[in-house]
Amino acid sequence: RKEVEQDPGPFNVPEGATVAFNCTYSNSASQSFFWYRQDCRKEPKLLMSVYSSGNEDGRFTAQLNRASQYISLLIRDSKLSDSATYLCVVRGGSNYKLTFGKGTLLTVNP
Amino acid sequence: EPEVTQTPSHQVTQMGQEVILRCVPISNHLYFYWYRQILGQKVEFLVSFYNNEISEKSEIFDDQFSVERPDGSNFTLKIRSTKLEDSAMYFCASIDGGPGEQYFGPGTRLTVT
Repeated sequence: RKEVEQDPGPFNVPEGATVAFNCTYSNSASQSFFWYRQDCRKEPKLLMSVYSSGNEDGRFTAQLNRASQYISLLIRDSKLSDSATYLCVVRGGSNYKLTFGKGTLLTVNP
Repeated sequence: EPEVTQTPSHQVTQMGQEVILRCVPISNHLYFYWYRQILGQKVEFLVSFYNNEISEKSEIFDDQFSVERPDGSNFTLKIRSTKLEDSAMYFCASIDGGPGEQYFGPGTRLTVT
C-alpha cells in the first residue's frame, strides 16, 4: 500500500466550480498533515495545514479523519490561478520529514 | 520574506561524473533536507540533517550520495558517480527548531546524459 495515496486526476473544471481532492495515508503514527500546491517545474508551496477539527482559509477547506486515515481539500469558487498540482503531504518522526502523495493536477478553465 | 536558495538552477552532466548541488537554507533554521522529484513522479525524501550530522536517510540515499554543511550557511548534496536515473529535480528544504513550515528552495534540475 502506498504511504500517501491521492486521486490520480487530472481534474478539469470551469471557473467558479467546486472541486474536492481526497487522500489516504497508511502510517497511523503520522503526526501532521498538509496540502501543498506545486506549479509546473516549481517547488512545492504550503497551501494549508490540516487539523482534526477541520479548517478553512478563504475558499479552501481541509478536513482530517484520523480514524479512517483520510484527508480532504475542498476548493470553492475556483479561479484560473488555482490551476496547479495539489499534493497531499504527511509528516512524522522526530526529524519532521515529509511524505508526499503523487499529486492531483487541477486545471481551471475560463 | 526569508527564502531558501539553490544553485545552479539547471545542471547537465555526463554519466559517471560527480556533481555538487548547493543550497543556502534560511539563516536561523536548524533542520535541513534534500528531496528529489523525478519527472512525472512524486516528491521523495532523500535525507535530513541536524546538528551537523545526518539524522535520517531514505533507501534512495545510498553510498553515492553525501551531504555536508561546510560553513554556517551552505548545505550541499554530492552525487559521486551520476547515473541516468539520477536525472530529477532536487529540492532543498529547511525548518526552524520546531515542527514549523518546511520551506523549499526553487530546486536544481539535474540532467544526466
